[in-house]
Amino acid sequence: NAGVMQNPRHLVRRRGQEARLRCSPMKGHSHVYWYRQLPEEGLKFMVYLQKENIIDESGMPKERFSAEFPKEGPSILRIQQVVRGDSAAYFCASSPSPRSQGYTDTQYFGPGTRLTVL
Amino acid sequence: AQKVTQAQTEISVVEKEDVTLDCVYETRDTTYYLFWYKQPPSGELVFLIRRNSFDEQNEISGRYSWNFQKSTSSFNFTITASQVVDSAVYFCALKINQGGKLIFGQGTELSVKP
Repeated sequence: NAGVMQNPRHLVRRRGQEARLRCSPMKGHSHVYWYRQLPEEGLKFMVYLQKENIIDESGMPKERFSAEFPKEGPSILRIQQVVRGDSAAYFCASSPSPRSQGYTDTQYFGPGTRLTVL
Repeated sequence: AQKVTQAQTEISVVEKEDVTLDCVYETRDTTYYLFWYKQPPSGELVFLIRRNSFDEQNEISGRYSWNFQKSTSSFNFTITASQVVDSAVYFCALKINQGGKLIFGQGTELSVKP
């Protein structure tokens, strides 16, 4: 049973470019969370999604950042016109639906994408 | 507002010593969930334990043990007979809703020297 997959693992962008980070949840998980870890800081929540639905985006910066979790395919965190301050590790986590058998709300994390903005 | 405080930024011990990582949380909710995660030098986040607010039983898993005390809003983590492979950053986290976001502490960087 594969864990949470994230790609790419490392991403280098120049200022002004777009960054697309992908996350495939664990099999059977329908909830996805994105967190950001800035250098020397802890993990901060960004957004919580279910399939085709944003549940909580209270941690998302107001501009340039967007996230989606389509019916088919991975969840995507998109950062437009990146700036140096966007350099960080971005982690995705997944958990099953509360309606699923043997539900536990534990979030399991992927290996992260390290974004470097030059 | 919810908050998690890990007052120890860095801890350094020698192999085989016992070490306790402190975690203090704040919430007005009566139902909540507490977690510990480990982030080794390779960078991934590894789930260690989950506790809900109604279960104050302490837990032991091998060399790891957790002490949950609602009276002091603490959920401390002890590693017995530490090993070099325990070197990592350890995060304590709080969640107040099932399916909701995790609120992380700043993390404690543990260094175990041979």
